[in-house]
Amino acid sequence: ETGVTQSPTHLIKTRGQQVTLRCSSQSGHNTVSWYQQALGQGPQFIFQYYREEENGRGNFPPRFSGLQFPNYSSELNVNALELDDSALYLCASSLGGLAGGLAYEQYFGPGTRLTVT
Amino acid sequence: AQSVTQPDIHITVSEGASLELRCNYSYGATPYLFWYVQSPGQGLQLLLKYFSGDTLVQGIKGFEAEFKRSQSSFNLRKPSVHWSDAAEYFCAVGDGNQFYFGTGTSLTVIP
Repeated sequence: ETGVTQSPTHLIKTRGQQVTLRCSSQSGHNTVSWYQQALGQGPQFIFQYYREEENGRGNFPPRFSGLQFPNYSSELNVNALELDDSALYLCASSLGGLAGGLAYEQYFGPGTRLTVT
Repeated sequence: AQSVTQPDIHITVSEGASLELRCNYSYGATPYLFWYVQSPGQGLQLLLKYFSGDTLVQGIKGFEAEFKRSQSSFNLRKPSVHWSDAAEYFCAVGDGNQFYFGTGTSLTVIP
């Protein structure tokens, strides 16, 4: 059984640029959630994708967008990067949509560390 | 909006001592409750969860947590801490629309 993987591990971008982060979900999982974890803070829910559709969103602006592919892998795209976007971005996979209890059996990847200068 | 509070930013315990990490939440109904652990450079690992039923739940690595509706709390406990338990611990709440994490409690274990 393959766990959740994320790429790249680290990334440095300049303010105003765009970035794409990638996540491969655990085998058999159809739901992917993305989180932003600023230094010294708890993760903040960005959004969730269930069967290729956005299925819940946190308080993040539209420049944070995502995709889920037929194989349930996912991308997080951030446009017009700001300095405050510097954080660890975590992907979590699970089975089922947000409203179901099973959806919360989330398995997290190691994260992508994004630095915006 | 829902919220999760972990009052203790940092806790230091001696190896072999007992541990209790506090978590309070704000939510009208009974939420889904979780504890996660994050070691340096690692992703989050689920320790235990509460959905319904018995208010005392057992998790991995010898951890347990008790849901107290009257206090809106879900405190994490371990009877005897090991040096490998040193990590960041997060309490989390799911309400069917979003998932909320607390700010975390950093645990240091001294020999």
